[in-house]
Amino acid sequence: GNSVTQMEGPVTLSEEAFLTINCTYTATGYPSLFWYVQYPGEGLQLLLKATKADDKGSNKGFEATYRKETTSFHLEKGSVQVSDSAVYFCALASGGAQKLVFGQGTRLTINP
Amino acid sequence: SQTIHQWPATLVQPVGSPLSLECTVEGTSNPNLYWYRQAAGRGLQLLFYSVGIGQISSEVPQNLSASRPQDRQFILSSKKLLLSDSGFYLCAWSVPRKFRFSYEQYFGPGTRLTVT
Repeated sequence: GNSVTQMEGPVTLSEEAFLTINCTYTATGYPSLFWYVQYPGEGLQLLLKATKADDKGSNKGFEATYRKETTSFHLEKGSVQVSDSAVYFCALASGGAQKLVFGQGTRLTINP
Repeated sequence: SQTIHQWPATLVQPVGSPLSLECTVEGTSNPNLYWYRQAAGRGLQLLFYSVGIGQISSEVPQNLSASRPQDRQFILSSKKLLLSDSGFYLCAWSVPRKFRFSYEQYFGPGTRLTVT
């Protein structure tokens, strides 16, 4: 079946550091891929998405490239801020699925 | 634009009491609707989803139930709460399959439920 694996957290960085959160997936066909962010006490917000191989999703300085050859969708940001502290979820949707498959989430803390 | 509402925002209930959480969506018709639960410090668990009025799919057997009495209303219920029902409950919607070219879901603000 379809699955998403994220790097174990928590991840703690200093402000202005470079961020990578790894995400790999297993899916049949050609899935759409997503990153969601959850700030403390809030619901999930769609951060970025990619719907086909080699697409790059980007938003708020975050980027992720859909790599079919490595079945990956790693999240990156060149210079993180304290306000980026949150939990990040990678997710996929495959074929005509009505549901998303989520990774377990990665907690990110940015220290000033 | 579309918006999704959940209420109440927080709830403290004793074990054995009933539960009713409500979710409504504005600005779209015939959305797919979803209920998730998030236990403290853990990932998302899909509980129910619905593709239309009265159509409910259950993902996890438990003492919760869901109903969709109107097109844009989704209700999560329990007759008798357990301690293990504590958590953060999230409602989400997505575009119906026949109109979609992408599959993202849009989440509400959540309800924090504490069962004591």
